Amino acid sequence: EAGVAQSPRYKIIEKRQSVAFWCNPISGHATLYWYQQILGQGPKLLIQFQNNGVVDDSQLPKDRFSAERLKGVDSTLKIQPAKLEDSAVYLCASSLEPLWGSTDTQYFGPGTRLTVL
Amino acid sequence: AQKITQTQPGMFVQEKEAVTLDCTYDTSDPSYGLFWYKQPSSGEMIFLIYQGSYDQQNATEGRYSLNFQKARKSANLVISASQLGDSAMYFCAMRETGGTSYGKLTFGQGTILTVHP
Repeated sequence: EAGVAQSPRYKIIEKRQSVAFWCNPISGHATLYWYQQILGQGPKLLIQFQNNGVVDDSQLPKDRFSAERLKGVDSTLKIQPAKLEDSAVYLCASSLEPLWGSTDTQYFGPGTRLTVL
Repeated sequence: AQKITQTQPGMFVQEKEAVTLDCTYDTSDPSYGLFWYKQPSSGEMIFLIYQGSYDQQNATEGRYSLNFQKARKSANLVISASQLGDSAMYFCAMRETGGTSYGKLTFGQGTILTVHP
């Protein structure tokens, strides 16, 4: 079974530029998550989708970050304009079970390492 | 207050020995799940083991076991017979299912494990 796919793996941009990341979850997984992992820290949830609807975006900096999952499958995360503090690894994860399932396990993609100069 | 606390920034272990990585958590949700993930230098998050709050027995997966002490709110990971390939960052995470948490994972700061030959 194919895992969570992400691209690109690495991206270097200058501040104030825009960037987009793509994620394709495991087939059949209804829930998709984007996490931000700053160097030396644990991942922090940015946004969570259930199918194509947003469930939780409380920690997404909405003035510069946006995400969509139009057909309930793959997703894109965009940053515009980027700041130096956005340098991090952006991890996409997906899970199978409904939100209320306590046995839900999230499977992660390889991540996109973003460097903002 | 920290929801997940990993107090060991780094741990060292001799190959073939066992090692325990500590994790304490804080929640008022009666239904929750505890996860351990491994993150090698390549960056991907690899799911290792899961423990549900209502599970009566400690979870085991091959060389990994979870020492779950509910009253003390601790969920320590035990790796038996350490291998050189176990050298990585290890994250403890909690998934709450009540209130507005919508099942997101909250991660600790991580513990870097180094296995010596």
